[in-house]
Amino acid sequence: AQKITQTQPGMFVQEKEAVTLDCTYDTSDPSYGLFWYKQPSSGEMIFLIYQGSYDQQNATEGRYSLNFQKARKSANLVISASQLGDSAMYFCAMREVSGTYKYIFGTGTRLKVLA
Amino acid sequence: DGGITQSPKYLFRKEGQNVTLSCEQNLNHDAMYWYRQDPGQGLRLIYYSQIVNDFQKGDIAEGYSVSREKKESFPLTVTSAQKNPTAFYLCASSRTGGTSGISYEQYFGPGTRLTVT
Repeated sequence: AQKITQTQPGMFVQEKEAVTLDCTYDTSDPSYGLFWYKQPSSGEMIFLIYQGSYDQQNATEGRYSLNFQKARKSANLVISASQLGDSAMYFCAMREVSGTYKYIFGTGTRLKVLA
Repeated sequence: DGGITQSPKYLFRKEGQNVTLSCEQNLNHDAMYWYRQDPGQGLRLIYYSQIVNDFQKGDIAEGYSVSREKKESFPLTVTSAQKNPTAFYLCASSRTGGTSGISYEQYFGPGTRLTVT
């Protein structure tokens, strides 16, 4: 069964440093999409970055990049040059082609950026 | 501007009362979703709908009901049968579409915080 695992309940990072948030997934479908969302304390979910299973290159969006290792089934989010505003919950999610347009979410990682 | 609206932002109800949470989108998305989030937890799928007049149960549908009479609207009713209704509820929508559908991210509303006492 498809599953997303985020093993880091909480992380700290110093301002201006880079941080990696881990995400591993399990699926038997060869075609799938992986997403990262940010949830600030206000509660809204903000889409950050997407990686397709057939994409040859790792996705990047500004300070966000996705370290995609298909053989290991991992899709770690890297945030470079952390800012205080990056403090939030971060969720990894997956959508499969064969699924009924459902998204599977991980349990999230709470990131705290220290000044 | 396109987006998803949820109302109200905060909702208070007495135990034993049904309550309906509103979700409206003007993104022309076919798929809509309801999630429940408890403090410090991830998102759990309550119901989802891929097309008007059709919807499927998610992982925690017991005590909830939905309708999808219009493409842009997907209201959620929290019934008195839901044992622990106090939570943060998020509505989302997305495009659909075959093999390319895996790249379609979800758009989320601002959420409704429901407190039942």
